[in-house]
Amino acid sequence: DAMVIQNPRYQVTQFGKPVTLSCSQTLNHNVMYWYQQKSSQAPKLLFHYYDKDFNNEADTPDNFQSRRPNTSFCFLDIRSPGLGDAAMYLCATSSLEGNGYTFGSGTRLTVV
Amino acid sequence: DQQVKQNSPSLSVQEGRISILNCDYTNSMFDYFLWYKKYPAEGPTFLISISSIKDKNEDGRFTVFLNKSAKHLSLHIVPSQPGDSAVYFCAASEESNGNKLVFGAGTILRVKS
Repeated sequence: DAMVIQNPRYQVTQFGKPVTLSCSQTLNHNVMYWYQQKSSQAPKLLFHYYDKDFNNEADTPDNFQSRRPNTSFCFLDIRSPGLGDAAMYLCATSSLEGNGYTFGSGTRLTVV
Repeated sequence: DQQVKQNSPSLSVQEGRISILNCDYTNSMFDYFLWYKKYPAEGPTFLISISSIKDKNEDGRFTVFLNKSAKHLSLHIVPSQPGDSAVYFCAASEESNGNKLVFGAGTILRVKS
């Protein structure tokens, strides 16, 4: 089945220690997104790619970076995680034609 | 500033009755609206959508109504089933293809049998 896979499902990292979350897709979608969702809040768009074209949201902290080496994979790098970065991180894909997103199951990040 | 608001954090409904989930938005440039459903430990899944040129879209038990003048949309589920218990997210896009979505905080729906 075509899908979006996020690894790992749960990630625990130490305060200040770089961490990378990964997302892969078999849908061949052009667009990939990273959202951050804190408890009981709306998912917040961090950045997205149209193919290799990177688009950062204006209020996304510099601490968050992303890489998309090819169509299938996209990574979220948090250079120095703080306690406030603990959240669910959702990866999603869509085609240029639209029809909504396909989401991964998310990675829940804990910072200790 | 939240552009998409779901003011009811939770809703409890008896099985067989109607569930009505509400969503308000502030950005008049939004052109496309969607509802997503999320079960625990899973990612959100697409449920139903509506373009700004319509005021109603129906898919089986699910109907979405859009009132552009009030900047309000609602999702009706009739009849509600216990399997509908989930978190429902309202989302909106300025792009007609539904990309770059802005989400609400979600409403937890509990359908009691």
